[in-house]
Amino acid sequence: DAGVIQSPRHEVTEMGQEVTLRCKPISGHNSLFWYRQTMMRGLELLIYFNNNVPIDDSGMPEDRFSAKMPNASFSTLKIQPSEPRDSAVYFCASLSSGTSEQFFGPGTRLTVL
Amino acid sequence: SQKIEQNSEALNIQEGKTATLTCNYTNYSPAYLQWYRQDPGRGPVFLLLIRENEKEKRKERLKVTFDTTLKQSLFHITASQPADSATYLCALKGGSSNTGKLIFGQGTTLQVKP
Repeated sequence: DAGVIQSPRHEVTEMGQEVTLRCKPISGHNSLFWYRQTMMRGLELLIYFNNNVPIDDSGMPEDRFSAKMPNASFSTLKIQPSEPRDSAVYFCASLSSGTSEQFFGPGTRLTVL
Repeated sequence: SQKIEQNSEALNIQEGKTATLTCNYTNYSPAYLQWYRQDPGRGPVFLLLIRENEKEKRKERLKVTFDTTLKQSLFHITASQPADSATYLCALKGGSSNTGKLIFGQGTTLQVKP
């Protein structure tokens, strides 16, 4: 298995632009998590899905952030419009039902100028 | 408010010594606690899980303790090696019992010198 796949690995954009981050979880995993990591705030949970349904989006900073999971093998995190303070590394992780170990992707490093 | 604290300062030790990292939490009653390792430019990797009714867990050179009275977990790496140099994150299970939601500490960076 290739593990959790994220794209792009790096994204540089200008303030005000729309950014879409993508994640493919491990096949068979039914929970998917989006995290953001910064030096100041560490690793923060933004939202997670169970069986493609959003369960907890309390970590989503504001309405500029949205996430979707149209099927079991794909999820997106969208920021529109982006701001410099959104610069961070965004991780996707997946989890198999009945287990506790989360498998993280390599992350997307986002820089908003 | 709920809080997880790990030593923010880097831990520097000599190869062969035992590294001990601390994770303290307040206002939580976690069902379990996990430790992850993160290398620069990579995502965290799961190491160990310890449940609230367990005092200690071992895996090769790793040992984790969990004291729910002190609200503290200790993570030990015995006979440390330069390859153990990384950032170590503790994570507590949050939310209701049927979710996989984790709350992470800020992490402690370990540097093992040869």
